Amino acid sequence: GNSVTQMEGPVTLSEEAFLTINCTYTATGYPSLFWYVQYPGEGLQLLLKATKADDKGSNKGFEATYRKETTSFHLEKGSVQVSDSAVYFCALRRMDSSYKLIFGSGTRLLVRP
Amino acid sequence: DTEVTQTPKHLVMGMTNKKSLKCEQHMGHRAMYWYKQKAKKPPELMFVYSYEKLSINESVPSRFSPECPNSSLLNLHLHALQPEDSALYLCASSQDPENTEAFFGQGTRLTVV
Repeated sequence: GNSVTQMEGPVTLSEEAFLTINCTYTATGYPSLFWYVQYPGEGLQLLLKATKADDKGSNKGFEATYRKETTSFHLEKGSVQVSDSAVYFCALRRMDSSYKLIFGSGTRLLVRP
Repeated sequence: DTEVTQTPKHLVMGMTNKKSLKCEQHMGHRAMYWYKQKAKKPPELMFVYSYEKLSINESVPSRFSPECPNSSLLNLHLHALQPEDSALYLCASSQDPENTEAFFGQGTRLTVV
């Protein structure tokens, strides 16, 4: 089946620290992969995406590379800010007739000043 | 305009009430979605409309009734809900069902008393 596994949170970092949030997936075919961010009390915002192997998605200093050989799409940022505190969801989009988004369980990031 | 607008932002309703959630987008997207998100959980797909026709119903109870009056609007009619239906209800849209990128609204936080 199709599934997404994310590292358990919360992840607590000091400002300017390096961030990695791990995400691995199981899927048939070649899904598209996404990172969404949810700030407290808000909906989801698309952070970045990659649609094929070796693609690198990037936005606002965040990056993730679609690794088919390790079925991973880890999120990284070189220097986090307090304003990055949020819940981050890794997701894949099934490329079958349903085109359904499958979400991971989410990882809460807390950045301290 | 890359916004999906949901109203109301907050809703409190009794178990005998009838209410509706509204969602609007003006991006020309032809696929629209309803998701339900419980606290500290990822969003769960409820319904998908494709070209104004219901294409996916994820076995949602009939007390939730979706409606797509036109290509820009999506409603979710609520009747005889239970307290466990309290959640954040998210609307999303994408260019078409096959397009990989979904845009989410800010959500309606529903409390059933």
